[in-house]
Amino acid sequence: KAGVTQTPRYLIKTRGQQVTLSCSPISGHRSVSWYQQTPGQGLQFLFEYFSETQRNKGNFPGRFSGRQFSNSRSEMNVSTLELGDSALYLCASSFPGGPYEQYFGPGTRLTVT
Amino acid sequence: GQQLNQSPQSMFIQEGEDVSMNCTSSSIFNTWLWYKQEPGEGPVLLIALYKAGELTSNGRLTAQFGITRKDSFLNISASIPSDVGIYFCASGGGADGLTFGKGTHLIIQP
Repeated sequence: KAGVTQTPRYLIKTRGQQVTLSCSPISGHRSVSWYQQTPGQGLQFLFEYFSETQRNKGNFPGRFSGRQFSNSRSEMNVSTLELGDSALYLCASSFPGGPYEQYFGPGTRLTVT
Repeated sequence: GQQLNQSPQSMFIQEGEDVSMNCTSSSIFNTWLWYKQEPGEGPVLLIALYKAGELTSNGRLTAQFGITRKDSFLNISASIPSDVGIYFCASGGGADGLTFGKGTHLIIQP
């Protein structure tokens, strides 16, 4: 079974721009979660989607948003990029309702200059 | 918010040594997960624990869910070079997302 895929793997953007990242979950997994990983803050939960609905969101500003499509694929968007948004963005998929084992993709490395 | 305190922060060991790391929290959890992350990759799930007192093995890895449900530990026996990486504990999950520890950097000295 193919794992979680994320595109692109690397991205360089300029402050003020916006960016869209994509995630395809493991076949059959309908829950998709997004995380931000930085050296200072570690891994932090961004949001979780199931059946095209955002069920929860972490403590991030409204510039961070996402969506999920009917095929469970998900995208996240960051608008008005700031230097502090430079991070590894990870997507994870799981079966909704448990068990709470989440399987991660390789991530998208975003650099904001 | 909930926090997981993971220790040690880093470990410098010789090949063949056993490794032990742990994770504690002030909150009770129903799930403990252990992940390993290598440079340029996402975390890989190693072991999942769902019951207090549960002891689970995966090859040379053994993890336990603490009886108080506020802690967990991971042991690696007879370490080998490919064990190098960052090990994370995590808990929670579902719609609330996982909460992660800060990670234990495992470095194996030749």
